[in-house]
Amino acid sequence: AQKITQTQPGMFVQEKEAVTLDCTYDTSDQSYGLFWYKQPSSGEMIFLIYQGSYDEQNATEGRYSLNFQKARKSANLVISASQLGDSAMYFCAMREGRAGNNRKLIWGLGTSLAVNP
Amino acid sequence: GAVVSQHPSWVICKSGTSVKIECRSLDFQATTMFWYRQFPKQSLMLMATSNEGSKATYEQGVEKDKFLINHASLTLSTLTVTSAHPEDSSFYICSAGIRSTYGYTFGSGTRLTVV
Repeated sequence: AQKITQTQPGMFVQEKEAVTLDCTYDTSDQSYGLFWYKQPSSGEMIFLIYQGSYDEQNATEGRYSLNFQKARKSANLVISASQLGDSAMYFCAMREGRAGNNRKLIWGLGTSLAVNP
Repeated sequence: GAVVSQHPSWVICKSGTSVKIECRSLDFQATTMFWYRQFPKQSLMLMATSNEGSKATYEQGVEKDKFLINHASLTLSTLTVTSAHPEDSSFYICSAGIRSTYGYTFGSGTRLTVV
């Protein structure tokens, strides 16, 4: 069954350092997409980065990069040069099948990141 | 582009009353809308998926008569919590599927408190 696992309920990082948030997934589909979202205390869901199962290169978006290891079924988020504003909940999510607007997302439990000054 | 406007952002209602939450797609047509519920410090829980012009598909364990979802047009989907009780207090958020790599756009959420 499709599943997303985030094993770190809470993480601390020092400002300006890098941090890795873990995500492993389980699916029998060959085509799927992996997403990372940030949710600050305000509740809005902020899209960070996307990785398609057929993408050969790891996705990068500014300070965010996704360490995609397909054989290990992991899609870890790396945040470089952490900032105080990065303190938030981070969710990993998966869409099975090809991109389309009627596929639901499978969500991990989330990781709460606190950036210390 | 691809903005979903969700209202109200917060609401307090008395037990036994009904509350309607609206999600409007401002600059695109939302053929599919996902409705989530989220408790504090927990993940998003999908309640139902609605497609324009058809009945919503509810996830197992979600009471369809209590959480009424209407998606009558390509720009508006609504969630009505009927006969609300304190246990319905939660954060509700909608998400529309969009035809792009990013796949989804989210409303800003509604904090419902039933007293």
